[in-house]
Amino acid sequence: SQKIEQNSEALNIQEGKTATLTCNYTNYSPAYLQWYRQDPGRGPVFLLLIRENEKEKRKERLKVTFDTTLKQSLFHITASQPADSATYLCALPRDTGRRALTFGSGTRLQVQP
Amino acid sequence: EPEVTQTPSHQVTQMGQEVILRCVPISNHLYFYWYRQILGQKVEFLVSFYNNEISEKSEIFDDQFSVERPDGSNFTLKIRSTKLEDSAMYFCASRLLAGGDTQYFGPGTRLTVL
Repeated sequence: SQKIEQNSEALNIQEGKTATLTCNYTNYSPAYLQWYRQDPGRGPVFLLLIRENEKEKRKERLKVTFDTTLKQSLFHITASQPADSATYLCALPRDTGRRALTFGSGTRLQVQP
Repeated sequence: EPEVTQTPSHQVTQMGQEVILRCVPISNHLYFYWYRQILGQKVEFLVSFYNNEISEKSEIFDDQFSVERPDGSNFTLKIRSTKLEDSAMYFCASRLLAGGDTQYFGPGTRLTVL
C-alpha cells in the first residue's frame, strides 16, 4: 500500500533562512500532491497543490517541487519568519483512485527570531 | 473567504454514548469528507460523501460510524457507541466537484471519551 514519509524530527532554522522540507512516497504514482500547514489544535490549511506534469510551483515565499522519478516532493519557505512555525503536512490522493487524502506524519518547523 | 465550520469545538462524552459531530461545508462544494487525528498521530481518512451517498470509506469507518446530509447545508458524523479509542480531533473537509482537487478543512471537533 502507499506510504508517505516526512522527516519526523523538528526542523529548527533562523529567521530569514530558507526552510526545506521533504516528502517521500512509495508504492504509488499520484496525479498530484498537496502541502498543508497545521497549527496545534487546528485543522490543516491548504497551501499548494502540484500536479505530476509540473516540476515546480510557487506562491509568494513558498515553492514546491515534484520529482516523480525520485518519488519525492520538496517544500521550501524562503525568508522564513517566526510566524511560519507550524507543522507542515504532505498529502496524496489515496491509491484507491478516489480523491480522499493520505497524509504524512508532518514535519514541525520552528523558526527562531 | 468561505470556510468550513464545525460544531461543537469540543465534545466530552461517556464511553458507550452516541455523539453527533456537525459540519457546514463551503456552500458550492459537492464532495464532503471526515478525517480524524488521534493526538500525536497522522490525519487519517474516514469517509467521503457525494450525491447523498458514501463514495469511499476507510477500514476505520466501521458500523459504529454513519454520515448524513440532513439538509442543504449540514453534514454530520455520528458515532453510535463511543469507545475510549475514538478520542481524537475530527476534521470535516469539502471540495468542489469539477476541476477542484483541493480539500478545505474545518477547524475540527475535539472528541474526548471518558
